[in-house]
Amino acid sequence: SQTIHQWPATLVQPVGSPLSLECTVEGTSNPNLYWYRQAAGRGLQLLFYSVGIGQISSEVPQNLSASRPQDRQFILSSKKLLLSDSGFYLCAWSSPPRRGTLNTEAFFGQGTRLTVV
Amino acid sequence: GENVEQHPSTLSVQEGDSAVIKCTYSDSASNYFPWYKQELGKRPQLIIDIRSNVGEKKDQRIAVTLNKTAKHFSLHITETQPEDSAVYFCAASYYFGNEKLTFGTGTRLTIIP
Repeated sequence: SQTIHQWPATLVQPVGSPLSLECTVEGTSNPNLYWYRQAAGRGLQLLFYSVGIGQISSEVPQNLSASRPQDRQFILSSKKLLLSDSGFYLCAWSSPPRRGTLNTEAFFGQGTRLTVV
Repeated sequence: GENVEQHPSTLSVQEGDSAVIKCTYSDSASNYFPWYKQELGKRPQLIIDIRSNVGEKKDQRIAVTLNKTAKHFSLHITETQPEDSAVYFCAASYYFGNEKLTFGTGTRLTIIP
């Protein structure tokens, strides 16, 4: 069965410090990978998504970046955190669509609650 | 790109009554519309989805309707129960296109016992 791991679960970082959040998926190959941010009382904002190694699409211009060094590894980074980067970050994966299958369900990791102080 | 709007942002209904959440989308190419439920402190999980080749889908107390012409879709929960209390998100994507899911802003549903 497929599983998704995201860590750390919580993180408190000072303004200006770097960030690295990691997400790995097991039990599947060539997944679509996503990073979402959920600010308090707001929806799920898509930050980055990737359909393959080294292929990253950015949805929102900001001081965050993402990388996919391996097929099932997705990393969210920042060189210098801002107060506005605080939020709940969710990694997710979905199977790439295949002819004859109709399931594009997204499976979420447990999330990382980031507080920038 | 796709823009999904969701209403209302909060909804309170008496236990046993029905709840309806509505979403609109902007990209006419979108053809996959899932709904996710996020309980407090937990990750979002898929509860039902609908594709553009059907107008309605039902799963026990939950149903979704889709109006492609008007570009809106709705979630209907009947006979609500306390465990239905959660944040619900609608989403849209272009299956066999870029597949990225664009979410609405969420609806906090509270079931009043």
